[in-house]
Amino acid sequence: NAGVTQTPKFQVLKTGQSMTLQCAQDMNHEYMSWYRQDPGMGLRLIHYSVGAGITDQGEVPNGYNVSRSTTEDFPLRLLSAAPSQTSVYFCASKEGGVSYSGNTIYFGEGSWLTVV
Amino acid sequence: RKEVEQDPGPFNVPEGATVAFNCTYSNSASQSFFWYRQDCRKEPKLLMSVYSSGNEDGRFTAQLNRASQYISLLIRDSKLSDSATYLCVVNPGGSQGNLIFGKGTKLSVKP
Repeated sequence: NAGVTQTPKFQVLKTGQSMTLQCAQDMNHEYMSWYRQDPGMGLRLIHYSVGAGITDQGEVPNGYNVSRSTTEDFPLRLLSAAPSQTSVYFCASKEGGVSYSGNTIYFGEGSWLTVV
Repeated sequence: RKEVEQDPGPFNVPEGATVAFNCTYSNSASQSFFWYRQDCRKEPKLLMSVYSSGNEDGRFTAQLNRASQYISLLIRDSKLSDSATYLCVVNPGGSQGNLIFGKGTKLSVKP
């Protein structure tokens, strides 16, 4: 089972460049989300989606865009990369829509992004 | 008060020790609670859910005290392989279903 697949695993960007982090899940989960994890900050929610065509902002959405055209895919776009966006990014998915009934949230393996 | 607070550690313990992690949460309406484990440079993975009655999974025991808004994780007979960061996770409820993650407590088990 593939679960949640993120690409790329590692990326170095120059300030001002744009890029897309890809995320796909094969579990038919309605809910998908993106987190960033920085030392001492824990996991912070960037954007999330409760179904195809529905997205919303999390705690730290500035500088990022998302779209959800299919149930399986939830790409994260960095519009104009800044050094402050250097971080580890995790995509996650879980069953269910707007209510969390205790189902496990599954994470991708992470994408290490460095902006120079 | 932060939404989910944990002692960051690190907790350095010898093999065989018993270690306890604590977590407090600020939203009294929170609906469900979990402990996740994260190994170095890996993604978080569910360790166990936390129920009001307390629950045990082998060497791991999780407890919830709703009145005090407090969650705990006890690890008995620590193994080297238990070395990781343990994340306290809370579902605050409401229409979003987004989880709130603590910053994690780092455990290092030494021979």
